[in-house]
Amino acid sequence: GESVGLHLPTLSVQEGDNSIINCAYSNSASDYFIWYKQESGKGPQFIIDIRSNMDKRQGQRVTVLLNKTVKHLSLQIAATQPGDSAVYFCAENIGDTGRRALTFGSGTRLQVQP
Amino acid sequence: GAGVSQSPSNKVTEKGKDVELRCDPISGHTALYWYRQSLGQGLEFLIYFQGNSAPDKSGLPSDRFSAERTGGSVSTLTIQRTQQEDSAVYLCASSPVSSGTDTQYFGPGTRLTVL
Repeated sequence: GESVGLHLPTLSVQEGDNSIINCAYSNSASDYFIWYKQESGKGPQFIIDIRSNMDKRQGQRVTVLLNKTVKHLSLQIAATQPGDSAVYFCAENIGDTGRRALTFGSGTRLQVQP
Repeated sequence: GAGVSQSPSNKVTEKGKDVELRCDPISGHTALYWYRQSLGQGLEFLIYFQGNSAPDKSGLPSDRFSAERTGGSVSTLTIQRTQQEDSAVYLCASSPVSSGTDTQYFGPGTRLTVL
């Protein structure tokens, strides 16, 4: 994805509110998508994934929505908590080609205000 | 169980020196990936190993970068003649099977600083 350098898009929410983090992807052949959470000084942590034959998947307090028509992915976090503060990355993959690696977006910083 | 581990956690080196970064994947995971993350940016793919197959080196930025994986487990990423632009966090991930649709589990990374 495109780089935004040090100036990550930032979403600031109040504790208890719902958060929606958006991601646009460019490769229409991508068939697998993952959201990762990265806290300062740590590696990315898996949150939730979705395959292209689905448009919605729910986890614990998180929901991922996939709109293949406009190549858009979103992560919804219910009842956001201070521990949710982190940088969130979407990642895409074309499952059955020779390139196995994930392609990551540039990230969104979520700040939860107590 | 143990996750992906990487060492060292931090490495400071002088320009022109060689460095080796180590990754211990999750036991039983056959696929191993190296990524690079520059400050405030997303992850950039470097190299991928799957079993005994030839590695996918398509992401390596120059011939100063190389990696090996011994015995299908531990991997070492080597950067020769380091440059300041090599400063970044180097992340290793592993996944249980070869399909790109399987979740990749990341280690904590090695922060490399080239002075």
